[in-house]
Amino acid sequence: GIQVEQSPPDLILQEGANSTLRCNFSDSVNNLQWFHQNPWGQLINLFYIPSGTKQNGRLSATTVATERYSLLYISSSQTTDSGVYFCAVDRGTDKLIFGTGTRLQVFP
Amino acid sequence: DTEVTQTPKHLVMGMTNKKSLKCEQHMGHRAMYWYKQKAKKPPELMFVYSYEKLSINESVPSRFSPECPNSSLLNLHLHALQPEDSALYLCASSQSTGSSQETQYFGPGTRLLVL
Repeated sequence: GIQVEQSPPDLILQEGANSTLRCNFSDSVNNLQWFHQNPWGQLINLFYIPSGTKQNGRLSATTVATERYSLLYISSSQTTDSGVYFCAVDRGTDKLIFGTGTRLQVFP
Repeated sequence: DTEVTQTPKHLVMGMTNKKSLKCEQHMGHRAMYWYKQKAKKPPELMFVYSYEKLSINESVPSRFSPECPNSSLLNLHLHALQPEDSALYLCASSQSTGSSQETQYFGPGTRLLVL
């Protein structure tokens, strides 16, 4: 089956720093989504981004489907950005396959 | 309204108990999902309901029994669970058509502890 790897696995930042999270996938995909899971377990959809670039406030994402990767940029990080970031892909079915996750801790 | 609700938030049960997890969405979504998430791991798909019919069962043990009474509700019936079934159980919904995945909206989850 398709493999979805994220890097780095852990990231520690001071408030105000910028960061880039990467998602690599081993085969072609139809769609890609980015999620943030807060420390209480709630998963929030950040981007639905099968290709191209999208921005939402301090967050932006880029997916290059032909090269099988996606990037999530976080600028001016805040403590509320802490949690785990997952990318997830599908191959044209109802099955969403999650990546390995990046655990982010932002300190004041 | 993009809310998916789940009850209960926490559940402790013995291995001989029968309990149910509930999930509700009022976004008119046609697909609903159950995921299991162990600590420090990504969510793993368990079941998918599409138009109130079970469309995907990821080889889940029969001690987990899903049910979709109507288009807004999804239940997960639990019976004779094992301690290794302790996890966060997440429900999600989307407007996906089966051939085209759309944004999935997740509930807050139920933290299950099996003693």
